[in-house]
Amino acid sequence: AQTVTQSQPEMSVQEAETVTLSCTYDTSESDYYLFWYKQPPSRQMILVIRQEAYKQQNATENRFSVNFQKAAKSFSLKISDSQLGDAAMYFCAYRSNWYALNFGKGTSLLVTP
Amino acid sequence: EAQVTQNPRYLITVTGKKLTVTCSQNMNHEYMSWYRQDPGLGLRQIYYSMNVEVTDKGDVPEGYKVSRKEKRNFPLILESPSPNQTSLYFCASSLVPGYEQYFGPGTRLTVT
Repeated sequence: AQTVTQSQPEMSVQEAETVTLSCTYDTSESDYYLFWYKQPPSRQMILVIRQEAYKQQNATENRFSVNFQKAAKSFSLKISDSQLGDAAMYFCAYRSNWYALNFGKGTSLLVTP
Repeated sequence: EAQVTQNPRYLITVTGKKLTVTCSQNMNHEYMSWYRQDPGLGLRQIYYSMNVEVTDKGDVPEGYKVSRKEKRNFPLILESPSPNQTSLYFCASSLVPGYEQYFGPGTRLTVT
């Protein structure tokens, strides 16, 4: 099974600053999808951003962007102008075409005023 | 409103007492899935279904059963729950592979 590794159990950022969350994955496939999900204290899983492996252009959603390095199997999430509402657990996930979604163990993001 | 619903949201039960957690989606999605979330382990897939009557095991299927008799519903069945199944459970659905999965609100299960 493909593995997803988030090497930072916890991260901290000051309000209005930028933070980058790391994610690496292991796969032998060439066509796949990658996601970042946010889980606030409400426990709801919220999709933040999605990246298709065949696209070279990095995905962007407002203050959230990714740095997708296919050869290095790296998929980091950058949060710009951090807000208090960004405090949450963030999960990186890999999805192959075979309907399996594999999650990393998560990174807890703390945002300080 | 497009959504995935789960019931119950909280459940405390005893070892061996059969239980069912229901999941329903109103988006006409083909694909549905169950995950469990445990501290330090992230989310792990239990079972998934690609369509009605088509289900398959995920990474941690032991002790669970599922069925997909209707497109909208995908119940999770624990026929003889044990304390190691105490966890937070999520149901999710998506239209096709590669599209984002929509998650239900979660079910907190405690087995004593």
